[in-house]
Amino acid sequence: KNQVEQSPQSLIILEGKNCTLQCNYTVSPFSNLRWYKQDTGRGPVSLTIMTFSENTKSNGRYTATLDADTKQSSLHITASQLSDSASYICVVSGNNNAGNMLTFGGGTRLMVKP
Amino acid sequence: EPEVTQTPSHQVTQMGQEVILRCVPISNHLYFYWYRQILGQKVEFLVSFYNNEISEKSEIFDDQFSVERPDGSNFTLKIRSTKLEDSAMYFCASSPVGTRSYNEQFFGPGTRLTVL
Repeated sequence: KNQVEQSPQSLIILEGKNCTLQCNYTVSPFSNLRWYKQDTGRGPVSLTIMTFSENTKSNGRYTATLDADTKQSSLHITASQLSDSASYICVVSGNNNAGNMLTFGGGTRLMVKP
Repeated sequence: EPEVTQTPSHQVTQMGQEVILRCVPISNHLYFYWYRQILGQKVEFLVSFYNNEISEKSEIFDDQFSVERPDGSNFTLKIRSTKLEDSAMYFCASSPVGTRSYNEQFFGPGTRLTVL
């Protein structure tokens, strides 16, 4: 069964600090891995998308890494801001006929405190 | 910047009633999706829709659910006879590419469905 597991479940950091969120997946066959940011009561917003051949991708203060051999990904947030408080969801896409049926992780709830 | 919109933002209904959740995808997109998120749980895939037919559906998407694109802009999810366990946030998404290559899905703000 395709699964995506994230850790930690929740994290509290001080404004300006860095943090790293982890994701492990067992989706096969693998097409791509995405990190989404979801504010409470809102839809997910894409941060990065990485395919099998990509090891790292940045989007501003967000840097995602992917190790397709160990089926692990991380999202590093640099110089955190109060607005970074949200759930960060790792999502993996399998290579199926629809092309993009997504399997979601449970998310890491990040709280940035002043 | 174009975005996916959904109406209503919150729907309250009685168990056994039919509900229709509405979505307006981004205008030049080709693939459309419905997801649900029960409070405190993961987002779950329900169905994908392409070229006026269902491309893929999950086990959750049983005979009580149906989708339709009644005109060139709207994409709807109908639940025929709601159950208490249908209470969830329902997200619509759309993406511009209809191939097996990766493409970004843009999510709407969601409709919170409460079944009493």
